[in-house]
Amino acid sequence: QQPVQSPQAVILREGEDAVINCSSSKALYSVHWYRQKHGEAPVFLMILLKGGEQKGHEKISASFNEKKQQSSLYLTASQLSYSGTYFCGTAITGNQFYFGTGTSLTVIP
Amino acid sequence: AAGVIQSPRHLIKEKRETATLKCYPIPRHDTVYWYQQGPGQDPQFLISFYEKMQSDKGSIPDRFSAQQFSDYHSELNMSSLELGDSALYFCASSLKAGVNHEQFFGPGTRLTVL
Repeated sequence: QQPVQSPQAVILREGEDAVINCSSSKALYSVHWYRQKHGEAPVFLMILLKGGEQKGHEKISASFNEKKQQSSLYLTASQLSYSGTYFCGTAITGNQFYFGTGTSLTVIP
Repeated sequence: AAGVIQSPRHLIKEKRETATLKCYPIPRHDTVYWYQQGPGQDPQFLISFYEKMQSDKGSIPDRFSAQQFSDYHSELNMSSLELGDSALYFCASSLKAGVNHEQFFGPGTRLTVL
């Protein structure tokens, strides 16, 4: 039931772009994206809903393919502060929430 | 702006002891989630509450129980602690139940079982 993310880890130089993918074997009603820095709480980035609605930060973009049960997070012009572990998350039923396997992103100068 | 409050922030217990973790959601948020995160792992969903009623259960061991009180704060009770229970425990709250609302996470409680 846990969504699978790819890549597992990525290293970028400042200013480079990255794409993080999230794939589920179950039907998705929505996809959440969170970023977590080491030892800290996950921080909300974006929600993508069926029908194309999105809620989140203006500088973050993402896509949601309902038929393929996939979502992608697009990080452009990366900054050092983007470093962390990115998790997608899905609610299978009601309030039962599953985080993805995580993608570690490191931005270097 | 008010955030989710968790207490205590750190807790050290011996095997077979009990522990109680507390979570105070953001005011007006009626849904609370509990997660367990081991080192290098993703957060694992334990249990959720909506309007003081248990909503869904995930991988919560039978040794653990939780409830949400009339003031919407929630407590996670853990008994017969095992070494494997050592982890970061996060509480999150959202304004409404369901899949369409972002979760706001507390700072977590780091539980160490010796």
